[in-house]
Amino acid sequence: QQQVKQSPQSLIVQKGGISIINCAYENTAFDYFPWYQQFPGKGPALLIAIRPDVSEKKEGRFTISFNKSAKQFSLHIMDSQPGDSATYFCAASRDTGRRALTFGSGTRLQVQP
Amino acid sequence: DSGVTQTPKHLITATGQRVTLRCSPRSGDLSVYWYQQSLDQGLQFLIQYYNGEERAKGNILERFSAQQFPDLHSELNLSSLELGDSALYFCASSAQGNSPLHFGNGTRLTVT
Repeated sequence: QQQVKQSPQSLIVQKGGISIINCAYENTAFDYFPWYQQFPGKGPALLIAIRPDVSEKKEGRFTISFNKSAKQFSLHIMDSQPGDSATYFCAASRDTGRRALTFGSGTRLQVQP
Repeated sequence: DSGVTQTPKHLITATGQRVTLRCSPRSGDLSVYWYQQSLDQGLQFLIQYYNGEERAKGNILERFSAQQFPDLHSELNLSSLELGDSALYFCASSAQGNSPLHFGNGTRLTVT
């Protein structure tokens, strides 16, 4: 059973554009929602995370939007750059991250110069 | 550099064999997690240890086992290997409480 559904599977954006990746979860016990960035040959690296007591969190060009009632959250990358080309994973866990993360299937982002 | 070290980086072995993957967590991190990443299954949680004790199990096969030693390093043992076990195996570590997970760069296992 896939508990975190991620879309799209792949995304091509022009330099300077906005990249948007969406995730939906099923388990209402989830209370910690991080996004990870993975470059080829590397492990996933934490990008930004949110807890359900806020609807939006921004760190630099990266913003998480969270909709608790719809059980959805999304990652927005503003002013996308070629260096942002990577695979992005959303994830969720219980007990504010003390439990293991359940990952989405990943989105391969390509930012064209 | 996340501070999590995984060895070896690559491993090629035959079906039916047994291998051991090793992970050294970040200094001070007590929790170790193992994940499997394959093309069709994405990142799947296998097992978690906290300060030497098994904390949680995910989609780990009975042919697979793990342990965390007193020095906090962890090993993932894969036995009776099948072609379908070919994947990237990641180790992650975290400190106590609600600290984020930090991943190593993985071990790529190829079963031929």
